[in-house]
Amino acid sequence: AQSVTQPDARVTVSEGASLQLRCKYSYSATPYLFWYVQYPRQGLQLLLKYYSGDPVVQGVNSFEAEFSKSNSSFHLQKASVHWSDSAVYFCALGGYNQGKLIFGQGTKLSIKP
Amino acid sequence: DMKVTQMPRYLIKRMGENVLLECGQDMSHETMYWYRQDPGLGLQLIYISYDVDSNSEGDIPKGYRVSRKKREHFSLILDSAKTNQTSVYFCASSLGGNTLYFGEGSRLIVV
Repeated sequence: AQSVTQPDARVTVSEGASLQLRCKYSYSATPYLFWYVQYPRQGLQLLLKYYSGDPVVQGVNSFEAEFSKSNSSFHLQKASVHWSDSAVYFCALGGYNQGKLIFGQGTKLSIKP
Repeated sequence: DMKVTQMPRYLIKRMGENVLLECGQDMSHETMYWYRQDPGLGLQLIYISYDVDSNSEGDIPKGYRVSRKKREHFSLILDSAKTNQTSVYFCASSLGGNTLYFGEGSRLIVV
């Protein structure tokens, strides 16, 4: 069965530090993978997506993610975080069943000043 | 402007009452979704609609039904609401099941 796991419920980093949010997926075929961000009291917004090709994909606000088929992972990274990056980040898996997406449980990112 | 609009944003209902959550989109997207979001569970798919009157159950359809009579509108109905349906409900739309555009959510409390 398909699944998405975000092993870290909460992550705290200092402003200006680098960031990695982890995402592991389970799917036997080629996945479509997404990262979404949710700011307080708002809906989810797409950060980036991977369908095929270059395993490193660039997204909005200098976020990037790297797809690894061997590790079944799609980790989100940012070189230098800003206080405005505080939010909940969701990894999602698609491409397995007519437009349906499975979401991970989310990782809440807090930025220390 | 690409937008998904949900109404109402906040709602308090008594157990056993009926609930109607409405969603509209201005992008002519074929596919629309209803998810619920609960702490620690991420988003769970309730129903997906591929077009007018073409709806399919998601992962947790029990206790819910949907209606889509126009491409731009997708309604979620709770007949006889239960306390365990207290949640935040999100509507989303997409073109062909790729990028999803989300509304801002409808927060439902059932007492």
